[in-house]
Amino acid sequence: QVQLVQSGAEVKKPGASVKVSCKTFGYPFTGYYIQWLRQAPGQGLEWMGRINPNGGGTDYAQKFQGRVTLTRDTSMNTAYMELSGLRSDDTAVYYCAREKTTISAFDVWGQGTMVTVSS
Amino acid sequence: SYELTQPPSVSVSPGQTANITCSGDELEKRYACWYQQKPGQSPVLVIYRDSKRPSGIPERFSASNSGNTATLTISGTQAIDEADYHCQAWDGSSLFVFGSGTKVTVL
Repeated sequence: QVQLVQSGAEVKKPGASVKVSCKTFGYPFTGYYIQWLRQAPGQGLEWMGRINPNGGGTDYAQKFQGRVTLTRDTSMNTAYMELSGLRSDDTAVYYCAREKTTISAFDVWGQGTMVTVSS
Repeated sequence: SYELTQPPSVSVSPGQTANITCSGDELEKRYACWYQQKPGQSPVLVIYRDSKRPSGIPERFSASNSGNTATLTISGTQAIDEADYHCQAWDGSSLFVFGSGTKVTVL
């Protein structure tokens, strides 16, 4: 069945970078955008950006421009999100999700990856 | 940048109707969708394109979008509906925007 499986939890020091993977199963990888979002403890969802696996084109939220890089490996059916210059307020659960463009919504989500930034 | 506003919390008695609002400038001109998120779980899409339910979502979930406000309605609310509900819209410049989420408590 359709699944998005993310990499495991990470603990990083301030100033470091983190790279989270999102491996997809059960559908044509290049047929759907992959979205990246995060949720700080007790907070709402925050959209970070998206990548079109067909060609690699990206869109980023203005807040994360210059600090986040989205990539993909079509041979592995996997998308990646790298966030640099980590700060304590980057501590959050990071999600990938599939965008179904015909309905302008995110219909399948990964299980989330906890990233903790602490000295 | 575009913003969506939700009430922090809504309380409802079992069997009653819960209405959760989401406000944004000319929201009716943008498709709104809604996600349900239970503690420790990933969000689940419950409404897309203002009022459509994905397969598998119970009929007690309905929604509308008019003017500046989108509304998610849960009819005959059950204990299993206790969760956070997030609205989301697509804005041409800000791309995807989320509200801050509403915690629904079934008392």
